[in-house]
Amino acid sequence: EAGVTQFPSHSVIEKGQTVTLRCDPISGHDNLYWYRRVMGKEIKFLLHFVKESKQDESGMPNNRFLAERTGGTYSTLKVQPAELEDSGVYFCASSLTSGSRYEQYFGPGTRLTVT
Amino acid sequence: DAKTTQPPSMDCAEGRAANLPCNHSTISGNEYVYWYRQIHSQGPQYIIHGLKNNETNEMASLIITEDRKSSTLILPHATLRDTAVYYCIVYYRDDKIIFGKGTRLHILP
Repeated sequence: EAGVTQFPSHSVIEKGQTVTLRCDPISGHDNLYWYRRVMGKEIKFLLHFVKESKQDESGMPNNRFLAERTGGTYSTLKVQPAELEDSGVYFCASSLTSGSRYEQYFGPGTRLTVT
Repeated sequence: DAKTTQPPSMDCAEGRAANLPCNHSTISGNEYVYWYRQIHSQGPQYIIHGLKNNETNEMASLIITEDRKSSTLILPHATLRDTAVYYCIVYYRDDKIIFGKGTRLHILP
């Protein structure tokens, strides 16, 4: 069974540019989460999709960040325009919505560097 | 803020059991205790979870106190590949994970 995949693995962009990160969850996982770790800080929650609906977007830092999950499968996280403080590692995770198991499976992350 | 408290770092000799403690005195009745780890800069990896009974899987054992206010993750025979940051987290169903600083476990050869 394929795990959570993320693309790209690394992105370097200039301040003011736009970047789109993609996450493909494990097949059949309705829950999809985005997290990020900025340098030296703890991993922080960004938002949570259940299928194509945003269940919780309380962690989104500002309106420069836009997340979508059309069709309830893969998700994209767009940063426009990127700022220096957006640099960090962005993780995606997915989990089931039924039964008693809600462990989240994480992807390898996308390292974003804004220069 | 994270609802758990863990020591910032621990050492364990290779081949010995690693016992990682965690306090979660404000845990709610329906929240599970989960353990994840992050090896170097990889994505966090699920290890084990439990509600009130002790649990064991191929990776580790989880001991939860009767009052559920604390737990211990046990890696029975630590290897160098177990060097990682270990996170003890409590959450309910599909809630978001609130990561703390975790415990940095060093396995000594």
